[in-house]
Order: sequence, then structure tokens, then C-alpha cells
Amino acid sequence: AQSVAQPEDQVNVAEGNPLTVKCTYSVSGNPYLFWYVQYPNRGLQFLLKYITGDNLVKGSYGFEAEFNKSQTSFHLKKPSALVSDSALYFCAVRDNTGRRALTFGSGTRLQVQP
Amino acid sequence: EAGVAQSPRYKIIEKRQSVAFWCNPISGHATLYWYQQILGQGPKLLIQFQNNGVVDDSQLPKDRFSAERLKGVDSTLKIQPAKLEDSAVYLCASSVSGTDNTGELFFGEGSRLTVL
Repeated sequence: AQSVAQPEDQVNVAEGNPLTVKCTYSVSGNPYLFWYVQYPNRGLQFLLKYITGDNLVKGSYGFEAEFNKSQTSFHLKKPSALVSDSALYFCAVRDNTGRRALTFGSGTRLQVQP
Repeated sequence: EAGVAQSPRYKIIEKRQSVAFWCNPISGHATLYWYQQILGQGPKLLIQFQNNGVVDDSQLPKDRFSAERLKGVDSTLKIQPAKLEDSAVYLCASSVSGTDNTGELFFGEGSRLTVL
């Protein structure tokens, strides 16, 4: 079975400060890892993914994520937060057969204060 | 490129009634997914189609939920009879292929169901 844990229901950060949203995963074999963002009354939008290669992955809107195999983590980061980054963030995993659907975490609400 | 289309966006029904949701995936995407997102939770997979065949429906409550993708393009998800706990957003997603798929899923805006 594959699973994702997002230990923080909410993360608060001041605009201009760096942000981190945490994610740990469990999967058989090598993981494919994803981050999605969800704005109110909207579907999920893809931010970035890790498949293989460099452990630091860069994605949309200045976000990046660091894959750490030993800690089974895939934390989302941004050097300088914007108020417009306030949204719900989901980490997701699938195994490397590619045939299974994504399993999502419970989500972390990011609140960026002006 | 057109995205994943879903309808209706909102639906309110009484318990024990039936409801159907429709999804049209991105053109050329072989794999289609239905997820259920209950308020405050992450999306949970209900069913995955590869073309018009079912790949995974292990979490679909088959006594009340059904889904089809007859021509391998658009799909319908039905609930009959609905229960209060079915109140959720039903998200449809598609991806290029289910085999050796490293690609991301593209989501529609969802259909919000309220069961009274």
C-alpha cells in the first residue's frame, strides 16, 4: 500500500519569509512524488514532481521540493512567500510501476500574512 | 488546450435520491480517474479507467456507486441511493497513459454534492 502524511494542518508565514510544507511518504520501490495546490472552489493544480535524478525539483510559481530518500520525505519550499500563495497544498505519491493512481495526503493549508 | 470538463458544478439532493456526474477528459488522455474529496480531507480514489476498461475500483462503494466510460472518452459517475456521507466534491482527472506513467494528473474543477 502507498500512503502520504502531511503532519501540519496549517502553516502560517509572513510575506517575504521562506516557507516549508512537510510531506512524508510510504511506497513499495522507488516513488513518484507530486505536489498540487488547490484554491477555493477549484480543482487541483499541478506544481511539481519528482521522478528521478536531482533531489531538488523546481516547479511552478517559484516553488521547489527536496526529495530525501533516507527520510522518505518530499518537503515543499519557497524562498519568499507571497500572499497569493495562500491555498491548500497536497502531496501525492504513486509507485514506480506507473500503473496506480496517485494517493494524496490530507492537505496543508498555507496562510501567508501581509 | 481544453482542460478536463465536469458537470454539474453543484448539486443538492435529498438522501435516497440519485445523482449523476459527467466528465470529459483532455483529448488523447487514455487514463481517467474519479476521486472523492470530503471537506477537510485529501482526494480519495474511487475508480481508475484505462481507455474503457477498469484498472482499479477497489475503493468504490459498489452497492451505491457506479461508473462507466463506454467509448473510452467521457465518463459518468452515478450514486444511487445517496447517503448523507456522500456529501463531497467529486473530482475527475485524466492523464496521458496508465502504463509506465510518470506524468501528472490533470483535474477538473469538481462537482460539489450536498445530500440533505
